[in-house]
Amino acid sequence: AQKITQTQPGMFVQEKEAVTLDCTYDTSDPSYGLFWYKQPSSGEMIFLIYQGSYDQQNATEGRYSLNFQKARKSANLVISASQLGDSAMYFCAMRTGTTDSWGKFQFGAGTQVVVTP
Amino acid sequence: DSGVTQTPKHLITATGQRVTLRCSPRSGDLSVYWYQQSLDQGLQFLIHYYNGEERAKGNILERFSAQQFPDLHSELNLSSLELGDSALYFCASSVVTGVTDTQYFGPGTRLTVL
Repeated sequence: AQKITQTQPGMFVQEKEAVTLDCTYDTSDPSYGLFWYKQPSSGEMIFLIYQGSYDQQNATEGRYSLNFQKARKSANLVISASQLGDSAMYFCAMRTGTTDSWGKFQFGAGTQVVVTP
Repeated sequence: DSGVTQTPKHLITATGQRVTLRCSPRSGDLSVYWYQQSLDQGLQFLIHYYNGEERAKGNILERFSAQQFPDLHSELNLSSLELGDSALYFCASSVVTGVTDTQYFGPGTRLTVL
């Protein structure tokens, strides 16, 4: 069965520091995609970054990078130079390529990040 | 702004009632997904439509139904509402339906059942 795990319910980080959010996944499917979303207090879900299971390099998008370790089944999000506006809930999600789950995203429980001045 | 629109933004209703949530996907997106986010259950996938056809079902109750119309907008119908149905309902859209396809979320509809 497919599973996404985020073990950090919450964390504080100081402004301008880097923070790593953990995400581990479990799937037997060789083809899958891993996604990170941000949900600020206003409620909307904002797409941040994507990593495909066959991608050779770690994905980067501005201050966001994904530390993809396939053998360990982890896809940690690194936010560099944190800003106050980064305070939000962060969700890791996975989509697999099996026929019965193409339409399904599975989301982790989320990690609440609070950036302090 | 993701380009996905959802109406209404807030909805307050009573137990036993029926409501309809509406979603317009991004221009060009053929896939629409519905999710429910509640404090106790987290973010749960409900259903996926692709170009008018149902493609996958998740944890959707029998009291809930959805459809996608020829113009690609989608509606989620919730009936015989219970207190536990109070949640934030998201619609998301993507171009197709592959593994690499990123879903873009709408702002959500916050449903409160009293």
